Amino acid sequence: KNQVEQSPQSLIILEGKNCTLQCNYTVSPFSNLRWYKQDTGRGPVSLTIMTFSENTKSNGRYTATLDADTKQSSLHITASQLSDSASYICVVSAGFSGGYNKLIFGAGTRLAVHP
Amino acid sequence: SAVISQKPSRDICQRGTSLTIQCQVDSQVTMMFWYRQQPGQSLTLIATANQGSEATYESGFVIDKFPISRPNLTFSTLTVSNMSPEDSSIYLCSVEKRGEIGEQYFGPGTRLTVT
Repeated sequence: KNQVEQSPQSLIILEGKNCTLQCNYTVSPFSNLRWYKQDTGRGPVSLTIMTFSENTKSNGRYTATLDADTKQSSLHITASQLSDSASYICVVSAGFSGGYNKLIFGAGTRLAVHP
Repeated sequence: SAVISQKPSRDICQRGTSLTIQCQVDSQVTMMFWYRQQPGQSLTLIATANQGSEATYESGFVIDKFPISRPNLTFSTLTVSNMSPEDSSIYLCSVEKRGEIGEQYFGPGTRLTVT
């Protein structure tokens, strides 16, 4: 069964600190891995998309890593800001068929950044 | 990118009634997707709506309960029929850019509470 598991479920950090969110997946076939940020009351917004051959991808203060051998990904947030408070969702594409990706969603990590 | 709007943003409905959710995209897209996000849970795909053809439903979702219309390339509706409290969720529509690593864009969601 295709699954995406994220840890921790929730996290509280102080403003300015760094943090790392984890994602483990058992998805086959694997096409690509995505990280999304979902603010409360909003739809998810894409942060990064990585294919099998990419190990690291950055988007500003967000850096995602991918280890396709161990089927693990991480999202590192540097110098956190209050606006980083959101849910972060790891999403794995189980293939591209019929003109679109079959996406498997993790449950998300809820991050709270406190002043 | 794609800008997606949904109406209504939230609603409180009585058991046994139906609600139609509208999704409008600012550009023409072939495929639109409808998701459900139950409280504290990940996103689950309900169906894929291709303009000019019947929607394709995922396992566990049926057309009688979630009828979908796709009258043109920028608009779709999802109806939640004969609602029960278990239907209380956030419903999101999304579109995907063309290509195997096409980015997916989400609407802001419709928060439905059934009493």
